[in-house]
Amino acid sequence: LAKTTQPISMDSYEGQEVNITCSHNNIATNDYITWYQQFPSQGPRFIIQGYKTKVTNEVASLFIPADRKSSTLSLPRVSLSDTAVYYCLVGDRSYGGSQGNLIFGKGTKLSVKP
Amino acid sequence: EAQVTQNPRYLITVTGKKLTVTCSQNMNHEYMSWYRQDPGLGLRQIYYSMNVEVTDKGDVPEGYKVSRKEKRNFPLILESPSPNQTSLYFCASSLFGGLNEKLFFGSGTQLSVL
Repeated sequence: LAKTTQPISMDSYEGQEVNITCSHNNIATNDYITWYQQFPSQGPRFIIQGYKTKVTNEVASLFIPADRKSSTLSLPRVSLSDTAVYYCLVGDRSYGGSQGNLIFGKGTKLSVKP
Repeated sequence: EAQVTQNPRYLITVTGKKLTVTCSQNMNHEYMSWYRQDPGLGLRQIYYSMNVEVTDKGDVPEGYKVSRKEKRNFPLILESPSPNQTSLYFCASSLFGGLNEKLFFGSGTQLSVL
């Protein structure tokens, strides 16, 4: 049983807006949703985090509907350097996991073309 | 500079030869964790530690050991490596291991077991 579900891959062109959706049906009441970005041969790095509605920072926006069973990472006007794998992260509470058992999904590989 | 340091960056070994991958953080974080990354499988948690002398299994702990004798270090030990442990390994840390905290990752260790 997957904790989160994301598309395996997405393609885009420079200058376009990209939206990546993550499903997390078993999200717990107190859980936040966090997104990470990973470039090849590097460790993931934090992009954005939110609990509900909308969060925006200098890199991306995060949209979370009222039922919180999904979230959408929005990257405005992508460039070639945004080519990376994007991970959606929520807790493992559905398995009775402890606070420490943080589960990553399989990630979405975004390819930005010129 | 706040960072998570892993060593070595690359390691080639043979089946059955014990090895240790070191991980150190300089942020006084209580939570540390190890992940492995394989093509098509994303990031999978091996072990994590909520504090000194407190460790617990993640999703794929078989064949691995860890220890947390001091806060800054969290080595990953492979007592008898096998080829199926060939993978890219990442160490990560956060302040307390809360789901709402930012995870800091190391640069990774590429392990090949022949």
